Amino acid sequence: DIQMTQSPSSLSASVGDRVTITCRAGQSISNYVNWYQQKPGKAPKLLIYTASNLQSGVPSRFSGSRSGTHFTLTISNLQPEDFATYYCQQTYTTPPLFGQGTKLEIK
Amino acid sequence: QVQLQESGPGLLKPSQTLSLTCSVSGGSVSSGNHYWSWIRQPAGTGLEWIGRIYASGTTQYRSSLNSRVTISVDTSKNQFSLKLASVTAADTAVYYCARGSYDILTGEESREDYWGQGTLVTVSS
Repeated sequence: DIQMTQSPSSLSASVGDRVTITCRAGQSISNYVNWYQQKPGKAPKLLIYTASNLQSGVPSRFSGSRSGTHFTLTISNLQPEDFATYYCQQTYTTPPLFGQGTKLEIK
Repeated sequence: QVQLQESGPGLLKPSQTLSLTCSVSGGSVSSGNHYWSWIRQPAGTGLEWIGRIYASGTTQYRSSLNSRVTISVDTSKNQFSLKLASVTAADTAVYYCARGSYDILTGEESREDYWGQGTLVTVSS
């Protein structure tokens, strides 16, 4: 199985800030990483697929990138509704495992 | 708009079989470039992929659950189902069903793009 190491596990930021969340894959997985947002008591929501493709309807302040086996989710100009937990997921092989999650909290 | 809704018992005793159904509206479980997944989340922890079924009927399961899990599709009802045998307290979680999409030409770029709201299943004697 390909593990995804996600960091940080938690993060405090303010409205208007720019934040980055990183996932490192245990081996090369091309661009096959998705990013999800989950709010308390709700199902995850797809934000980014295949490293950098913005899912339809997702605001453009969300972006994704890749450098080797490191994948980054960037949120620019944080909005109040962005405070949530974020997960990466590798889809290069089965099982498509998720990272451990990053909880983004208001500073 | 695709919508998914999980249903099934919320309380089980150890050794029983968990059976959940996901009803799909706004789309077809027979659609060629989609698959249908089950994912669970124990309280306060992260997401755990359980398995999926493709429109072709091909299934893939998490290896640690492989001997206990079955995912099937009922095209006549536009539903898909999860069965997990011999449950223990460790199977207590919120269970989500989800639709996955992928590029039909390459078979790649898979992602879960629509999710059900989730249903809590508790295993307790």
